[in-house]
Amino acid sequence: NAGVTQTPKFQVLKTGQSMTLQCAQDMNHEYMSWYRQDPGMGLRLIHYSVGAGITDQGEVPNGYNVSRSTTEDFPLRLLSAAPSQTSVYFCASSDSGDSYNEQFFGPGTRLTVL
Amino acid sequence: GEDVEQSLFLSVREGDSSVINCTYTDSSSTYLYWYKQEPGAGLQLLTYIFSNMDMKQDQRLTVLLNKKDKHLSLRIADTQTGDSAIYFCAEGSNGGSQGNLIFGKGTKLSVKP
Repeated sequence: NAGVTQTPKFQVLKTGQSMTLQCAQDMNHEYMSWYRQDPGMGLRLIHYSVGAGITDQGEVPNGYNVSRSTTEDFPLRLLSAAPSQTSVYFCASSDSGDSYNEQFFGPGTRLTVL
Repeated sequence: GEDVEQSLFLSVREGDSSVINCTYTDSSSTYLYWYKQEPGAGLQLLTYIFSNMDMKQDQRLTVLLNKKDKHLSLRIADTQTGDSAIYFCAEGSNGGSQGNLIFGKGTKLSVKP
């Protein structure tokens, strides 16, 4: 199994550009989520999904959209990039939404918005 | 609201024990976790403890939970240079939060040879 994969690894955008961060998992996990990690901060939840067709907002959803058309994929869209969205983005998945299930993290996407 | 606090830095010598502390506020937390993040990598689950336990030991790792004080600690025995990383404490609850974890800011552990 590849686990959780994320592309791209690095990205530089100009303010106002849009882009999609890709996340895929091959473990047939129902639960997927996106976090952002900023220097000196923990991880903050952006959006999550408990299954195909179902998404919900986390702590910091503004400026981001998600969709979950398949179990495997959970892309994160930046609609109009802003410098405040410069961060490292992590996708995670787990077997279910119950917290006793280990969350598996992808390697991250480092995004810089100029 | 929910909050998880950790000290930001810890420096130890190789072979010593490391103790990383964490406090949390949500008394309904069911599970408490320790994640490790090596440079340039994602987070990896190290260990977790269920809220009705006081202690859990796993090889060099010992987790202590004081539920009354909402205090969690991670002890790494015989710390090695390969243990240098950022360690995140996280709390989670079953049910309505749908598995969302609340993370601390992370403790950067530096191990000096």
